[in-house]
This record gives sequence, C-alpha cells and structure tokens, in this order.
Amino acid sequence: NAGVTQTPKFRVLKTGQSMTLLCAQDMNHEYMYWYRQDPGMGLRLIHYSVGEGTTAKGEVPDGYNVSRLKKQNFLLGLESAAPSQTSVYFCASSYSDVAKNIQYFGAGTRLSVL
Amino acid sequence: AQKVTQAQTEISVVEKEDVTLDCVYETRDTTYYLFWYKQPPSGELVFLIRRNSFDEQNEISGRYSWNFQKSTSSFNFTITASQVVDSAVYFCALSLLNSGYSTLTFGKGTMLLVSP
Repeated sequence: NAGVTQTPKFRVLKTGQSMTLLCAQDMNHEYMYWYRQDPGMGLRLIHYSVGEGTTAKGEVPDGYNVSRLKKQNFLLGLESAAPSQTSVYFCASSYSDVAKNIQYFGAGTRLSVL
Repeated sequence: AQKVTQAQTEISVVEKEDVTLDCVYETRDTTYYLFWYKQPPSGELVFLIRRNSFDEQNEISGRYSWNFQKSTSSFNFTITASQVVDSAVYFCALSLLNSGYSTLTFGKGTMLLVSP
C-alpha cells in the first residue's frame, strides 16, 4: 500500500544550501510530477516527467532541477536554496493516459529556508 | 490559457448542514477533464472524482454529489449532512493536453470547517 512516498517529510535549510527531495512510486506509473503548495496559491507545477530519462518544465521551474534516472524515482533538487522556496512540496504520479489521468499524491515535504 | 477559480476561500458549517463548494473553470479546449481532490489536516491529497467534458451527468457517491454544467463552466461539489471528518481543503483541478502531455491546473482551494 505504499503508493507514492516522499522523503524527507520535513527539512530546514539555510539560505544557499542545497538539497534533494526524493519521490518514489511503486505503481509502475509513467508520469511523475513535482508541485509546490503555498498559502492561498493552491498547487503549482514545478517540473514533470513523462517517462524515464525525460523531464519538462512546469509553471514555476526556476531555482529547481529534476532527474528521472529510474522509472520509479523522481528527484527534485535545490542547488542554492532561497527563502522564497519555503513551501510544502508534493510529488504525484499517474498512468500514461493523457488528460484523463488521475494523479496520486505523496504526503508532502515541508521545507523551510531560513 | 486555462484557469480554475474557487471563489470561496473558507466555509464554516455546523455538522449535518449541507454545503456546496463552487468551481468555475476557463479553457478554450473542447476536450478536458475536471477533478476534485480532498486535503485533510494530515496533508496528503486524496482523489475524489474525475469528469470528462462530454459527460454532463451529475454524480452521487454517498453524501457527496457533483454538478457539472458546461453552459456555465462550473463543476460544483455538494456535501450532504456534513460531518466533522469532512473538514479539509478541497481542490478543483482541470486537465488539458499541453504539447501532447497532460498537466493539472489547480484552483486555490476551499477550506471547509465542520464544527460539531
């Protein structure tokens, strides 16, 4: 019953530090996504991947990088964290059907950048 | 460009009251999908329903019902006889094809507080 697992659940960084958020799914999904959730803003797409080795930019990609070296994993990297990146980050995955796909979400990672 | 508007930021009701959460969307596409997700206090997002643009039938699932009206670009969600466990943030979302791949556009969410 794992579904989509995000690690870590919480993290505090200092400005300028780097870190990687890991997302793992065990549903053999082709599509994976990273979102950020900010108060009053809903969820906004950062990057997504439509298959192993492929990634694409979403609505708010600046300051983030991603990699999809294995089908089941999708990594989100912050090279030089900024206070504006304080947010809750969600990973999601879905089957390969376009448009009608249901995205399944992880429990989120709460990141604070001081 | 597509957009989803949830005009109600927060709604407070007393248990057993009925409540409707509004969702209005904008798109020029003729084929699209609409979704509702629930985010309880624990934080994870839980899928509730998906509706495609060609299916305007209302749907009922227990205490939950959804009213899709293409003429007004609305996909409203009603909870009948609300319970404390319904307290959560509810998101409406729209899915379109974008360069061959679908992405979800979320509304800003409506926080529902159900008090005993």
